Amino acid sequence: AQTVTQSQPEMSVQEAETVTLSCTYDTSENNYYLFWYKQPPSRQMILVIRQEAYKQQNATENRFSVNFQKAAKSFSLKISDSQLGDTAMYFCAFPSSGGATNKLIFGTGTLLAVQP
Amino acid sequence: NAGVTQTPKFQVLKTGQSMTLQCAQDMNHEYMSWYRQDPGMGLRLIHYSVGAGITDQGEVPNGYNVSRSTTEDFPLRLLSAAPSQTSVYFCASSYSITANTEAFFGQGTRLTVV
Repeated sequence: AQTVTQSQPEMSVQEAETVTLSCTYDTSENNYYLFWYKQPPSRQMILVIRQEAYKQQNATENRFSVNFQKAAKSFSLKISDSQLGDTAMYFCAFPSSGGATNKLIFGTGTLLAVQP
Repeated sequence: NAGVTQTPKFQVLKTGQSMTLQCAQDMNHEYMSWYRQDPGMGLRLIHYSVGAGITDQGEVPNGYNVSRSTTEDFPLRLLSAAPSQTSVYFCASSYSITANTEAFFGQGTRLTVV
């Protein structure tokens, strides 16, 4: 069975500092995408970053970057220069069998609090 | 830019009542899905559709029905609400089934069954 695991239910970081959120997954697929979604208090799900498994280069979107370790099935999210607006629940997600984005498997989430 | 619109945003039901959660998208996306979000469990797939007239079950389909008569709309029906269906429900859509396309989410419906 395909699974996604986020082992950090809550994290806290000071404004302007760096924080890393962990995610591990299990799959027998060879090529796939991985996603990080942000859910602020407004409840809206917002795509933060995506990584394609066959690309060795880690994806980067402004202050957000990933550390993708395919052999270890690890997909962590690094947030640099943390801002108060980064306070949110963060979900790691992975398309279920077949790789379709309309069938995502989500982790249980990490609640990140950015402290002033 | 409406994107994915869910109505209502909040709803309280009594056990045994029925209701329909509405979801509409204006992006001409073929693929639509319903998820439920519960504390400590992330989002779980209820039902999904790959086009008008085609639906299939996800991970937690029991107690829910769906239909897809048009590309734009994908309603979720609770026939006889139970307290276990208290949750936040999200509708999502994407234009392709390939995993390099983004899934767009509605703002969710918070449902309480008493």
